[in-house]
Amino acid sequence: DGGITQSPKYLFRKEGQNVTLSCEQNLNHDAMYWYRQDPGQGLRLIYYSQIVNDFQKGDIAEGYSVSREKKESFPLTVTSAQKNPTAFYLCASIPRQANYGYTFGSGTRLTVV
Amino acid sequence: QKEVEQNSGPLSVPEGAIASLNCTYSDRVSQSFFWYRQYSGKSPELIMSIYSNGDKEDGRFTAQLNKASQYVSLLIRDSQPSDSATYLCAVRSGTGGGNKLTFGTGTQLKVEL
Repeated sequence: DGGITQSPKYLFRKEGQNVTLSCEQNLNHDAMYWYRQDPGQGLRLIYYSQIVNDFQKGDIAEGYSVSREKKESFPLTVTSAQKNPTAFYLCASIPRQANYGYTFGSGTRLTVV
Repeated sequence: QKEVEQNSGPLSVPEGAIASLNCTYSDRVSQSFFWYRQYSGKSPELIMSIYSNGDKEDGRFTAQLNKASQYVSLLIRDSQPSDSATYLCAVRSGTGGGNKLTFGTGTQLKVEL
């Protein structure tokens, strides 16, 4: 079955630690996106990538980094510079230039402990 | 000014009634509009897309678009308790790159027995 797989489902981060969230898709989609969701704030765009080896900052990129070495994979690293990382992180994908809605992964819930 | 605005709710309707959810957007060149349903703790699920003025029906759901007034709405007929969720409005602008979606903060719908 085609889809987007995010892992882990739950992640706990200690202060000052970097953590990486995985996003893998087998839909052959070119474009991939990372969003963050906080209660009452909707989804906010962190980073996106339209092709391999290229990515752009979204609205809230500070404290995050990404890579796009393979078409199927778009991992997100939450660095220690992100002061308030506790949130629900969603990965999405779509064929490049397609004019329909995203397919979302099941999400990763990150908590700072 | 928020780019996509929704009333956060909760909107409470009795079972069997029509639920009406509204969304306004600020970018006049927006081209594509989407409604997502999100159950608590889950990722958003695309339920409706609309691209031109007027109504689009799919089962119990009807999306309505009025580009002149910059609003899009979702009607849910014969509301069921399983429709209780948060509904996110998303808009794709006609300008800029990345095929990005901008989301509203969502309206919580509660369907009461």
